[in-house]
Amino acid sequence: KQEVTQIPAALSVPEGENLVLNCSFTDSAIYNLQWFRQDPGKGLTSLLLIQSSQREQTSGRLNASLDKSSGRSTLYIAASQPGDSATYLCAVPNSGNTPLVFGKGTRLSVIA
Amino acid sequence: GAVVSQHPSWVICKSGTSVKIECRSLDFQATTMFWYRQFPKQSLMLMATSNEGSKATYEQGVEKDKFLINHASLTLSTLTVTSAHPEDSSFYICSARDGVARSYNEQFFGPGTRLTVL
Repeated sequence: KQEVTQIPAALSVPEGENLVLNCSFTDSAIYNLQWFRQDPGKGLTSLLLIQSSQREQTSGRLNASLDKSSGRSTLYIAASQPGDSATYLCAVPNSGNTPLVFGKGTRLSVIA
Repeated sequence: GAVVSQHPSWVICKSGTSVKIECRSLDFQATTMFWYRQFPKQSLMLMATSNEGSKATYEQGVEKDKFLINHASLTLSTLTVTSAHPEDSSFYICSARDGVARSYNEQFFGPGTRLTVL
């Protein structure tokens, strides 16, 4: 059974810092990996999707990498801003038609 | 593109009543929809998988007679919480997969419905 772990559970950084969020998964036979952002009391916003054949994806200040063989992904946020404060969730499906298995998230606070 | 809506966004009901939540894919055909539940400070947990035109598949521990799912069209799935109790109070989120136009099976999430049962 796929399990997804995110470290750290919470992170507080001053504005402007670069930071890395970590995600690991137990079954490396994944179809893709998605990173989401969730603001308190809100739904999910998809940030990046990495296909199993890809190593990384970039969107603006965000860069996500995937090392399928070791079961790891990282989300790199450059020049953090207070507006980046949210919970970041990592999720994987085991195949194209299966639901996502989510980690518990990393709660990020960027202090102005 | 790839927008998923949910209605209502929040609902308060009395214990014992039933509540219906709608999940719609607005600009694509969703062959598969998933229903998740999220308790405070917890991550999303899958409740059921809904395929258009067939019965939903429920996760272990989720009562199919309590959480009725209907996926009658390629753009609409509904979740009905029957005889709701306070312990059903949660944030319910649906996701939809575009199995027709997109080749990489990205899932798109609705904004969620917050249910409070008094």
